[in-house]
Amino acid sequence: GESVGLHLPTLSVQEGDNSIINCAYSNSASDYFIWYKQESGKGPQFIIDIRSNMDKRQGQRVTVLLNKTVKHLSLQIAATQPGDSAVYFCAERAQRGSYIPTFGRGTSLIVHP
Amino acid sequence: GAVVSQHPSWVICKSGTSVKIECRSLDFQATTMFWYRQFPKQSLMLMATSNEGSKATYEQGVEKDKFLINHASLTLSTLTVTSAHPEDSSFYICSARDRGGWVEKLFFGSGTQLSVL
Repeated sequence: GESVGLHLPTLSVQEGDNSIINCAYSNSASDYFIWYKQESGKGPQFIIDIRSNMDKRQGQRVTVLLNKTVKHLSLQIAATQPGDSAVYFCAERAQRGSYIPTFGRGTSLIVHP
Repeated sequence: GAVVSQHPSWVICKSGTSVKIECRSLDFQATTMFWYRQFPKQSLMLMATSNEGSKATYEQGVEKDKFLINHASLTLSTLTVTSAHPEDSSFYICSARDRGGWVEKLFFGSGTQLSVL
Protein backbone atom coordinates (compact mmCIF):
# COMPACT_ATOMS: atom_id res chain seq x y z
CA GLY A 1 0.00 0.00 0.00
CA GLU A 2 0.97 3.62 -0.16
CA SER A 3 2.98 4.91 2.73
CA VAL A 4 5.05 7.71 4.05
CA GLY A 5 8.63 6.78 4.83
CA LEU A 6 11.84 8.33 5.95
CA HIS A 7 15.29 7.77 4.51
CA LEU A 8 17.40 7.91 7.68
CA PRO A 9 16.35 6.58 11.05
CA THR A 10 19.03 8.54 12.95
CA LEU A 11 20.78 11.82 12.27
CA SER A 12 23.61 13.08 14.45
CA VAL A 13 24.78 16.67 14.20
CA GLN A 14 26.90 19.12 16.12
CA GLU A 15 25.31 22.03 17.89
CA GLY A 16 25.18 25.00 15.58
CA ASP A 17 25.14 22.96 12.39
CA ASN A 18 22.19 22.89 10.05
CA SER A 19 20.12 19.71 9.98
CA ILE A 20 18.21 18.24 7.08
CA ILE A 21 15.65 15.53 7.66
CA ASN A 22 14.21 13.84 4.61
CA CYS A 23 10.92 12.15 3.92
CA ALA A 24 9.62 10.26 0.91
CA TYR A 25 5.94 9.84 0.27
CA SER A 26 4.26 7.64 -2.26
CA ASN A 27 0.71 8.95 -2.52
CA SER A 28 0.63 11.43 -5.36
CA ALA A 29 -2.85 12.51 -4.25
CA SER A 30 -1.55 13.91 -0.98
CA ASP A 31 -2.13 17.63 -0.85
CA TYR A 32 -0.95 18.64 2.59
CA PHE A 33 2.11 17.76 4.62
CA ILE A 34 3.08 18.33 8.21
CA TRP A 35 6.23 17.94 10.23
CA TYR A 36 5.95 16.96 13.87
CA LYS A 37 8.54 16.84 16.62
CA GLN A 38 8.24 14.25 19.34
CA GLU A 39 10.39 14.43 22.44
CA SER A 40 10.92 11.32 24.50
CA GLY A 41 7.81 10.33 26.44
CA LYS A 42 5.69 13.10 24.98
CA GLY A 43 3.11 13.55 22.28
CA PRO A 44 3.99 14.99 18.86
CA GLN A 45 4.24 18.73 18.53
CA PHE A 46 3.39 20.57 15.32
CA ILE A 47 6.38 22.25 13.70
CA ILE A 48 5.43 23.40 10.25
CA ASP A 49 3.14 22.50 7.40
CA ILE A 50 3.02 22.97 3.66
CA ARG A 51 0.40 22.61 0.99
CA SER A 52 1.03 20.87 -2.28
CA ASN A 53 0.71 24.13 -4.22
CA MET A 54 3.86 25.37 -2.53
CA ASP A 55 7.44 24.18 -2.77
CA LYS A 56 8.91 25.99 0.19
CA ARG A 57 7.76 27.39 3.47
CA GLN A 58 9.77 28.98 6.23
CA GLY A 59 9.23 29.22 9.91
CA GLN A 60 11.43 30.20 12.80
CA ARG A 61 14.71 28.35 12.18
CA VAL A 62 12.86 25.73 10.16
CA THR A 63 12.19 25.41 6.45
CA VAL A 64 10.15 22.76 4.71
CA LEU A 65 10.81 21.95 1.06
CA LEU A 66 8.42 19.98 -1.10
CA ASN A 67 9.38 18.35 -4.37
CA LYS A 68 6.25 16.87 -5.86
CA THR A 69 8.07 15.57 -8.91
CA VAL A 70 9.99 13.04 -6.86
CA LYS A 71 7.53 12.97 -3.95
CA HIS A 72 10.06 14.20 -1.47
CA LEU A 73 9.76 16.38 1.59
CA SER A 74 12.52 17.77 3.74
CA LEU A 75 12.79 19.66 6.99
CA GLN A 76 15.73 21.97 7.45
CA ILE A 77 16.65 23.18 10.90
CA ALA A 78 19.08 26.06 11.07
CA ALA A 79 21.66 26.38 13.84
CA THR A 80 20.57 23.16 15.49
CA GLN A 81 20.41 23.26 19.27
CA PRO A 82 20.45 20.47 21.88
CA GLY A 83 16.76 21.19 22.48
CA ASP A 84 16.08 20.12 18.92
CA SER A 85 17.01 16.54 19.81
CA ALA A 86 13.86 14.52 19.23
CA VAL A 87 12.16 12.23 16.75
CA TYR A 88 10.78 14.03 13.72
CA PHE A 89 7.84 12.68 11.76
CA CYS A 90 6.51 13.79 8.47
CA ALA A 91 2.82 13.23 7.86
CA GLU A 92 0.67 13.53 4.80
CA ARG A 93 -2.97 14.12 4.26
CA ALA A 94 -3.97 11.75 1.55
CA GLN A 95 -7.40 13.06 0.72
CA ARG A 96 -9.09 16.42 0.78
CA GLY A 97 -11.43 16.80 3.69
CA SER A 98 -9.58 14.27 5.79
CA TYR A 99 -7.96 15.61 8.91
CA ILE A 100 -6.25 12.37 9.69
CA PRO A 101 -2.57 12.50 8.84
CA THR A 102 -0.62 9.39 8.01
CA PHE A 103 2.66 9.36 9.87
CA GLY A 104 5.99 8.29 8.49
CA ARG A 105 8.49 6.15 10.38
CA GLY A 106 10.36 8.97 12.03
CA THR A 107 13.96 10.20 12.20
CA SER A 108 15.78 10.53 15.47
CA LEU A 109 17.81 13.75 15.56
CA ILE A 110 20.68 13.78 18.03
CA VAL A 111 22.40 17.09 18.63
CA HIS A 112 25.81 16.94 20.24
CA PRO A 113 26.93 19.96 22.26
CA GLY B 1 -2.01 27.04 20.66
CA ALA B 2 -4.73 24.68 21.73
CA VAL B 3 -4.07 22.37 24.65
CA VAL B 4 -4.96 18.72 24.90
CA SER B 5 -4.60 17.13 28.31
CA GLN B 6 -4.15 13.39 28.62
CA HIS B 7 -4.32 11.50 31.89
CA PRO B 8 -2.74 9.48 33.35
CA SER B 9 0.80 9.94 32.07
CA TRP B 10 1.68 6.42 32.98
CA VAL B 11 -0.07 3.44 34.47
CA ILE B 12 0.99 0.01 35.61
CA CYS B 13 -1.66 -2.65 35.97
CA LYS B 14 -2.07 -6.35 36.42
CA SER B 15 -3.01 -8.59 33.55
CA GLY B 16 -6.77 -8.91 33.24
CA THR B 17 -7.66 -5.52 34.63
CA SER B 18 -9.10 -2.60 32.69
CA VAL B 19 -7.48 0.77 32.31
CA LYS B 20 -9.15 4.04 31.35
CA ILE B 21 -7.26 6.88 29.68
CA GLU B 22 -8.77 10.35 29.42
CA CYS B 23 -8.21 12.95 26.75
CA ARG B 24 -9.49 16.47 27.25
CA SER B 25 -9.40 19.53 25.05
CA LEU B 26 -8.87 22.35 27.52
CA ASP B 27 -9.56 25.50 25.58
CA PHE B 28 -11.50 24.39 22.55
CA GLN B 29 -14.28 22.05 21.58
CA ALA B 30 -13.35 18.93 19.67
CA THR B 31 -16.01 17.05 17.78
CA THR B 32 -13.35 14.62 16.67
CA MET B 33 -10.53 13.08 18.62
CA PHE B 34 -8.06 10.44 17.57
CA TRP B 35 -6.35 7.66 19.47
CA TYR B 36 -2.93 6.42 18.49
CA ARG B 37 -0.67 3.68 19.69
CA GLN B 38 3.08 3.84 19.54
CA PHE B 39 5.65 1.14 20.21
CA PRO B 40 9.26 2.04 21.06
CA LYS B 41 11.18 3.54 18.17
CA GLN B 42 8.18 3.25 15.90
CA SER B 43 5.71 5.62 14.37
CA LEU B 44 2.22 6.47 15.55
CA MET B 45 -0.44 4.01 14.53
CA LEU B 46 -3.98 5.31 14.33
CA MET B 47 -6.31 3.09 16.32
CA ALA B 48 -9.63 4.87 16.08
CA THR B 49 -11.43 8.10 15.43
CA SER B 50 -13.64 9.24 18.26
CA ASN B 51 -16.72 11.23 17.29
CA GLU B 52 -18.73 13.19 19.85
CA GLY B 53 -22.14 11.69 20.35
CA SER B 54 -21.64 8.72 18.08
CA LYS B 55 -19.74 5.48 17.83
CA ALA B 56 -16.04 5.51 17.23
CA THR B 57 -14.58 4.45 13.92
CA TYR B 58 -11.90 1.83 14.35
CA GLU B 59 -9.00 1.13 12.04
CA GLN B 60 -8.63 -2.28 10.52
CA GLY B 61 -7.21 -4.79 12.95
CA VAL B 62 -8.13 -2.86 16.11
CA GLU B 63 -10.51 -4.77 18.36
CA LYS B 64 -13.56 -2.70 19.24
CA ASP B 65 -14.36 -4.75 22.32
CA LYS B 66 -10.79 -4.52 23.52
CA PHE B 67 -10.37 -0.79 23.13
CA LEU B 68 -13.57 0.95 24.18
CA ILE B 69 -13.88 4.56 23.18
CA ASN B 70 -16.38 7.01 24.59
CA HIS B 71 -16.68 10.60 23.38
CA ALA B 72 -19.43 11.84 25.65
CA SER B 73 -18.79 15.57 25.35
CA LEU B 74 -17.08 18.06 23.10
CA THR B 75 -14.08 18.18 25.40
CA LEU B 76 -13.62 14.63 26.59
CA SER B 77 -12.85 11.30 25.00
CA THR B 78 -11.86 8.19 26.91
CA LEU B 79 -10.08 5.03 25.84
CA THR B 80 -10.58 1.97 28.00
CA VAL B 81 -8.26 -0.97 27.51
CA THR B 82 -10.32 -3.91 28.70
CA SER B 83 -8.83 -7.06 30.19
CA ALA B 84 -5.36 -5.76 29.54
CA HIS B 85 -2.56 -8.17 28.72
CA PRO B 86 1.21 -7.62 28.47
CA GLU B 87 0.98 -7.27 24.70
CA ASP B 88 -1.21 -4.19 25.25
CA SER B 89 1.72 -2.44 26.89
CA SER B 90 2.42 0.58 24.76
CA PHE B 91 2.40 4.36 24.56
CA TYR B 92 -1.10 5.64 23.83
CA ILE B 93 -1.58 9.16 22.47
CA CYS B 94 -4.72 11.11 21.79
CA SER B 95 -5.17 14.10 19.55
CA ALA B 96 -7.95 16.52 18.80
CA ARG B 97 -8.94 18.77 15.95
CA ASP B 98 -10.20 22.21 16.75
CA ARG B 99 -13.81 22.54 15.73
CA GLY B 100 -13.61 26.17 14.80
CA GLY B 101 -12.54 26.36 11.21
CA TRP B 102 -10.45 24.46 8.76
CA VAL B 103 -7.60 24.18 11.19
CA GLU B 104 -5.79 21.18 9.97
CA LYS B 105 -3.27 20.89 12.71
CA LEU B 106 -3.99 18.25 15.25
CA PHE B 107 -3.17 18.98 18.86
CA PHE B 108 -1.72 16.05 20.73
CA GLY B 109 -1.89 14.97 24.32
CA SER B 110 1.29 14.12 26.19
CA GLY B 111 0.65 10.40 25.96
CA THR B 112 0.05 7.57 28.41
CA GLN B 113 2.60 4.82 28.97
CA LEU B 114 0.75 1.62 29.80
CA SER B 115 2.63 -1.27 31.32
CA VAL B 116 0.72 -4.48 31.90
CA LEU B 117 2.36 -6.97 34.23
